Amino acid sequence: QKEVEQDPGPLSVPEGAIVSLNCTYSNSAFQYFMWYRQYSRKGPELLMYTYSSGNKEDGRFTAQVDKSSKYISLFIRDSQPSDSATYLCAILKGGGGSYIPTFGRGTSLIVHP
Amino acid sequence: DVKVTQSSRYLVKRTGEKVFLECVQDMDHENMFWYRQDPGLGLRLIYFSYDVKMKEKGDIPEGYSVSREKKERFSLILESASTNQTSMYLCASSQSGGASYEQYFGPGTRLTVT
Repeated sequence: QKEVEQDPGPLSVPEGAIVSLNCTYSNSAFQYFMWYRQYSRKGPELLMYTYSSGNKEDGRFTAQVDKSSKYISLFIRDSQPSDSATYLCAILKGGGGSYIPTFGRGTSLIVHP
Repeated sequence: DVKVTQSSRYLVKRTGEKVFLECVQDMDHENMFWYRQDPGLGLRLIYFSYDVKMKEKGDIPEGYSVSREKKERFSLILESASTNQTSMYLCASSQSGGASYEQYFGPGTRLTVT
């Protein structure tokens, strides 16, 4: 079993839909939970990160972490065609010297007008 | 504006050639990374470096080597390119300490080996 599992999709939704992107992980030592967004022919960029369980909101985006279930989610409200990209979850153990995240495979999202 | 640059966006090489991919960051970051990204496989770590002249193997180092002679520059070397090394190569950097969770990526080099 991979340490981080993520459905590659593609996930196709109409404009305005609420999108839910998810990852599961197996190592309870993970402490930092990140979401990267990667547009076509570009490198990934950090979208959001959380350190603990619960929700974190930034505009139309909400990151949610459930450590008891080892499950993380990214919700996108009022999705736009410009949100079409690949979304990668990334998880980090934290602690001294730990700086190499474990990435999910990425989910391709298509928001059509 | 922080930046990670890669020497080429697209590269076509022949089997057996020695290939150099260059990466430069202007953020004074200690950590630098090389990944390859393939459909269905996601990002896979090839090598990383946490300091000048230091290097560590990642998950798939076979067929690759790296060089870090200066803090801002991290080079990936394919000693003898093979067709199974056709891929997107991404360089990233991060700082040490508390904010090391964030990696900054370059735009990628799409390498085709024929």
